[in-house]
Amino acid sequence: QQQVKQSPQSLIVQKGGISIINCAYENTAFDYFPWYQQFPGKGPALLIAIRPDVSEKKEGRFTISFNKSAKQFSLHIMDSQPGDSATYFCAATGNSGGSNYKLTFGKGTLLTVNP
Amino acid sequence: NAGVTQTPKFQVLKTGQSMTLQCAQDMNHEYMSWYRQDPGMGLRLIHYSVGAGITDQGEVPNGYNVSRSTTEDFPLRLLSAAPSQTSVYFCASSSRAANYGYTFGSGTRLTVV
Repeated sequence: QQQVKQSPQSLIVQKGGISIINCAYENTAFDYFPWYQQFPGKGPALLIAIRPDVSEKKEGRFTISFNKSAKQFSLHIMDSQPGDSATYFCAATGNSGGSNYKLTFGKGTLLTVNP
Repeated sequence: NAGVTQTPKFQVLKTGQSMTLQCAQDMNHEYMSWYRQDPGMGLRLIHYSVGAGITDQGEVPNGYNVSRSTTEDFPLRLLSAAPSQTSVYFCASSSRAANYGYTFGSGTRLTVV
């Protein structure tokens, strides 16, 4: 059972455009939702994270939108740049229901930003 | 501050061989995890630890053993390597003080022939 579903698998955006990646989760015990960015040959790096007590968090060009009732959250990259080309993973975790802060990842989105 | 250090970076094993992937962190993080990354599968949790002496299985634990004798180290042992264990392995650590944001190592690319 996949607890975090991520879409799309791949995304091509023009420079300056908006990239949107969506995730849905099933476990209502999740209370921490990070996004990771991974460049080829590197480990994932924490990009931005949100807790369910807020509906939106913004850091620079990156924004997480969170819909608790729909159990969905999304990453928006404004003014996308070629340097943003990477694989993005959403994840979820929590400290109840047996999760004990284990990270559960989506399957990833390969973002390509064309110049 | 080195963060999470994984060794080796690359390894080729023959089927049936055993080996240990090393992971060390210098951030005094209580949580440590091992993931494997395969194309189209995302990152799947192998084993997990919430502190020295405490480990737990993740989503894909078969064929792997772990132990956590110190806060800093969390080695992953492959008991009898199989071609299905060909993957990229990542170690990660986190803490309550770090607000549960995980720091990942740079990975070990393992090929089993």
